[in-house]
Amino acid sequence: NAGVTQTPKFRVLKTGQSMTLLCAQDMNHEYMYWYRQDPGMGLRLIHYSVGEGTTAKGEVPDGYNVSRLKKQNFLLGLESAAPSQTSVYFCASKGLGTGPNTGELFFGEGSRLTVL
Amino acid sequence: AQSVTQLGSHVSVSEGALVLLRCNYSSSVPPYLFWYVQYPNQGLQLLLKYTSAATLVKGINGFEAEFKKSETSFHLTKPSAHMSDAAEYFCAVSFQGGSEKLVFGKGTKLTVNP
Repeated sequence: NAGVTQTPKFRVLKTGQSMTLLCAQDMNHEYMYWYRQDPGMGLRLIHYSVGEGTTAKGEVPDGYNVSRLKKQNFLLGLESAAPSQTSVYFCASKGLGTGPNTGELFFGEGSRLTVL
Repeated sequence: AQSVTQLGSHVSVSEGALVLLRCNYSSSVPPYLFWYVQYPNQGLQLLLKYTSAATLVKGINGFEAEFKKSETSFHLTKPSAHMSDAAEYFCAVSFQGGSEKLVFGKGTKLTVNP
């Protein structure tokens, strides 16, 4: 099973450039999330989605946009990249309801972005 | 508001020694609690979780954690550390049941010395 797949895994951008990170999940999960991970900061939620066509802001949404046009995909966009957005980005997904996987987030392997 | 505090950003133990990673939480309703592990250059994977059943939860790789409501704690332990346990560990909390969001602690990096 693929689970949660992120592309690209590595990217270097110049300040002001734009890019999109793609997250795809094959578990039919309702919820999807974008986090960023920085040293000593843990994981901080950027945006999330509770279903196809919905998005919501997390803890650190500024400078990012997201879209969830299809249930299985969650895109994270940077319109004008800044050095402060240099980070490792993780996508995660979660299913609804009860059962052995209740509440559990499934993570992708991360996308390392460097903004020069 | 929910929050998670992990005491100690770095913990170092000898191989074979007890591992204790501390996590305290604040939540206005009964929480779901999680421990995730992240090996270098990888994503996070679930170690164990508490979802209001047994207070002592056993996870993968010999880890376990005990939910103590009176202390608002969910500390992670392993009786005997192995070199392969070296990783970063994250505690996380969500509302029981339907919350969309998981709030993570800042992580504890575990080093295991030979």
